[in-house]
Amino acid sequence: EVQLLESGGGLVQRGGSLRLSCVASGFTFSSFAMSWVRRAPGKGLEWVSGFSGSTDNTNYADSVKGRFTISRDNSKNTLYLQMNNLRVEDTAVYFCAKGSSSSTRGYNFDYWGQGALVTVSS
Amino acid sequence: QVVLTQSPSASASLGASVKLTCTLSSGHSSYDIAWHQQQPEKGPRYLMKLRSDGSHTKGDGIPERFSGSSSGAERYLIISSLQSEDEADYYCQTWGTGIWVFGGGTKLSV
Repeated sequence: EVQLLESGGGLVQRGGSLRLSCVASGFTFSSFAMSWVRRAPGKGLEWVSGFSGSTDNTNYADSVKGRFTISRDNSKNTLYLQMNNLRVEDTAVYFCAKGSSSSTRGYNFDYWGQGALVTVSS
Repeated sequence: QVVLTQSPSASASLGASVKLTCTLSSGHSSYDIAWHQQQPEKGPRYLMKLRSDGSHTKGDGIPERFSGSSSGAERYLIISSLQSEDEADYYCQTWGTGIWVFGGGTKLSV
């Protein structure tokens, strides 16, 4: 059974930093691309960052480019999201999502975690 | 860049059927999409991948009463025999090279 478990969320002041983790199990983690998706209060789902193809191929939404960094440790089956210079508008529940493949042409998400709440105060 | 458009809300009665629509922006009518369900206070759940030809591949454990179809730039999620637990937000999603896009979501009331 595929499981994705996020951790690391919390309350942080504007301009601060947080690192989210997502521990995966139930599949060969190194063989699949992974992404982070968030949902802000009252809003819909928004893709944040993801891998495609190799682990060197990272992608970011314009809203977080230059502030967030995605990484992974295949030996620990763990996905990370380092979030720096946080803004109030980054307040959201952050989900890790498993890709259906590792294609460089993109993929759909086929499993999701339960989410980690990040609150950025002013 | 591809844009997905969904109606903000829909409603249907218990036991009835409902058809939710996701419209691909001009020039992107050949794109495959995926449908996801998010119940209140839960993480999203993958329902299916829906191709431009209407064929679809459902996620693990998704009941048969969930199905999909396509017509031109429109992608549909059909839910039959509606149950109370189907009350949720439904999102379509597509992808390209280095980018992933969600529709704005449809809130389904049962």
